[in-house]
Order: sequence, then structure tokens, then C-alpha cells
Amino acid sequence: KAGVTQTPRYLIKTRGQQVTLSCSPISGHRSVSWYQQTPGQGLQFLFEYFSETQRNKGNFPGRFSGRQFSNSRSEMNVSTLELGDSALYLCASSRQGAGEQFFGPGTRLTVL
Amino acid sequence: QKEVEQDPGPLSVPEGAIVSLNCTYSNSAFQYFMWYRQYSRKGPELLMYTYSSGNKEDGRFTAQVDKSSKYISLFIRDSQPSDSATYLCAMSAGTGTASKLTFGTGTRLQVTL
Repeated sequence: KAGVTQTPRYLIKTRGQQVTLSCSPISGHRSVSWYQQTPGQGLQFLFEYFSETQRNKGNFPGRFSGRQFSNSRSEMNVSTLELGDSALYLCASSRQGAGEQFFGPGTRLTVL
Repeated sequence: QKEVEQDPGPLSVPEGAIVSLNCTYSNSAFQYFMWYRQYSRKGPELLMYTYSSGNKEDGRFTAQVDKSSKYISLFIRDSQPSDSATYLCAMSAGTGTASKLTFGTGTRLQVTL
């Protein structure tokens, strides 16, 4: 069974631009969660989507948003990029949200 | 104070040693407990998943959860150089928010020959 895939793997953007990251969950998984990982803050929860609805949200500004499609694929968008948004963005999928979450390889975003 | 505390290490052990990794937490609502392994520049890999208290064993790995003490552990037997990685504990609360994992900072483990 294929794992969680994320595209692109690497991105370089400049301040003020926006970016869209994509995540394809494991087949049959309906929940997709997004996390930001930085050396200073570690892994932090951004939000979770289940059946195309945002079900949980972390403590991030409104510049971070996401959506989920009917095939459970998810995208997250960051607008008006700041230097501090440079991080590894990880998505995780699970069947229902509760239980085991499986992570993708991440998208490394660098903001210059 | 962080909800989940984890010693960042680094922890260096010789090959074949038993490794003990630990996390403490303050939120009594946490019910789901996980251990992930993360190699450099890779995504976290799920090693162990436990619901509520108790022990769980899988090969060389044993996870323990003591909810009364708010303390979880991961033991690695017969450690190998390939076990060298960062180990992250993660946990979440019950219904409705179970998907929201709160992570420890990770413990960097080095297994030497």
C-alpha cells in the first residue's frame, strides 16, 4: 500500500509571496492533518481535515489555510510569506483522525 | 511550561545496549500515545501506538504508559546503529480532538559500534 505523498518536496519563495502544498493520503484514509516543524518550536499542529471539513485547528494565523477534496487529497496554502515560515511542512493521514497517524516525507519551504 | 516534556539528549549508547526514552505530560485528557522515529530530513515514522495505559511490545520495541504518573516510555532492546535517529513522543486527547497530536521536542539517539 502506498504511503503518504507530498509535493513538492522543496520550495524556495520570497517574502510576501504565497505558496500551495499538496498531500495525498494513504488510500482509505479520510483524515489529513498538517504540521509545521522548525528547530526552535518542534512539531506543531496546524489543522485537520476530515470529509472535506476542517475539524480541528491549531494556533496559527489566518495566513495558513487548507482544504480537502472529495478524494481526501489535501492542500495547504500560506499567503504573504514571512521569513519565519521557513520550515518542514508535514502532512499525516489516518482513517478517522483518532488512532495511528502516518506522516509523509514533508515539503521543505525556504523563504528568502 | 510545555504540555509534553522530553529530554532532547543527545543520548549515546553502544551497540547492543537497552535504550530508555521518556516523556512526561501535564494534560490529563491525553488518551492516545505514540512514538515516532525521525531520520534527518525525513518525515516521522510511526513506531508504537498505545491507547490509554499499559504496555505494548513489537519486536525490539516496548512502549509503556503510566497515566497516573503522566509518564510514557519507549524501550529499545539490542540497539543497532540503524536506530540512530531522533525519537519523538506524541499524544492526543479524546473524541473530537484525537487528531491533534502534541509532540515532545524529540530525543536524539546515537548508537555507536
